[in-house]
Amino acid sequence: QQQVKQSPQSLIVQKGGISIINCAYENTAFDYFPWYQQFPGKGPALLIAIRPDVSEKKEGRFTISFNKSAKQFSLHIMDSQPGDSATYFCAAQQSQTGANNLFFGTGTRLTVIP
Amino acid sequence: KAGVTQTPRYLIKTRGQQVTLSCSPISGHRSVSWYQQTPGQGLQFLFEYFSETQRNKGNFPGRFSGRQFSNSRSEMNVSTLELGDSALYLCASSLGGIAYNSPLHFGNGTRLTVT
Repeated sequence: QQQVKQSPQSLIVQKGGISIINCAYENTAFDYFPWYQQFPGKGPALLIAIRPDVSEKKEGRFTISFNKSAKQFSLHIMDSQPGDSATYFCAAQQSQTGANNLFFGTGTRLTVIP
Repeated sequence: KAGVTQTPRYLIKTRGQQVTLSCSPISGHRSVSWYQQTPGQGLQFLFEYFSETQRNKGNFPGRFSGRQFSNSRSEMNVSTLELGDSALYLCASSLGGIAYNSPLHFGNGTRLTVT
């Protein structure tokens, strides 16, 4: 059973456009929601993360929007660049357990066309 | 600071064999987690070690095991390999505290192919 559902599976965006990736979860005990970026041949790298006590977090061109009541969160990449072409994973964790067990979405392959 | 180092990068094994993968965490990190990445199942949590003790375990058969040494380095072992074990195995380290203040840092993985 997939604890975090992610869409779309793939996304093609023009350079300068906005990329939007959506995730949804069921477990209300989740309290930590990171996004990871993975390039071919590399491991996932933490991009940005949010806790459910805020509705939005922005770091540069990357923004997480969080809707606690809908149990959904999304990643927005503004002014998308060809260098952003990668696979993006959302994840969720119940951090109070103290254990690093992240539940990942299935990933979104983003292609930014020059 | 050096990142998470995994060795070897690639491994080819035959069904029925066993394999050991190694992970050196970032200096000062006491938690090491292992994940399996496949095209079909995505990233799935195997287990986590903190201060040489297994703190959490995912839903994998007992053929998958691990350990952590006093210097925080970790090894993962898979016995009686099956074709379905072919995957990218990722190691991640963290300080081991509250997740928001202690994010996971992943290595580049070991690509295991079972023939």
